Amino acid sequence: GEDVEQSLFLSVREGDSSVINCTYTDSSSTYLYWYKQEPGAGLQLLTYIFSNMDMKQDQRLTVLLNKKDKHLSLRIADTQTGDSAIYFCAESSGNTGKLIFGQGTTLQVKP
Amino acid sequence: NAGVTQTPKFRILKIGQSMTLQCTQDMNHNYMYWYRQDPGMGLKLIYYSVGAGITDKGEVPNGYNVSRSTTEDFPLRLELAAPSQTSVYFCASRFTDGYNEQFFGPGTRLTVL
Repeated sequence: GEDVEQSLFLSVREGDSSVINCTYTDSSSTYLYWYKQEPGAGLQLLTYIFSNMDMKQDQRLTVLLNKKDKHLSLRIADTQTGDSAIYFCAESSGNTGKLIFGQGTTLQVKP
Repeated sequence: NAGVTQTPKFRILKIGQSMTLQCTQDMNHNYMYWYRQDPGMGLKLIYYSVGAGITDKGEVPNGYNVSRSTTEDFPLRLELAAPSQTSVYFCASRFTDGYNEQFFGPGTRLTVL
């Protein structure tokens, strides 16, 4: 079945760039997403990319998609302590909109 | 709009007890979903619905039941609670067709002892 994999932990210094990586197996993925989860909270959609795009930029966020390698990355420029959270990669395909999530990457931002 | 609301926020159940997790959305979304999030893991889909009267199983449906009698409500029923159902449960909804953001509720933290 479909699978989404992420590294579990990333630690960066405030002001540095963070890059969170994700791989997926479903070649029919239509949309790929990045969600943010703060402690004790629900999921907040950060950004998404359509599968026929290579890159999407949204303020401090840059998403890169390598469809051949089924690799997705999220770059956060000028990382702030408020960016500390768990980041989930997810993919969907078909009409039902079902999301398949990775395990989440905990981003720790040190002052 | 309140968005997606879930009740209760927290619940402790004894093994074998039953309960219903409530989910309501006021955005007139057709599609609704129930996910569970185990500690240190991503979310896994339990059940979903593409409209009133239509439901289907996700990845981990065993031990749960759902119904969708209205567009707004999508309750999740646990009939015989087991410790393996200790998790955080999230409800989500979205419009149909193409790209549409899936909006998540704040979650229900359930412990089965």
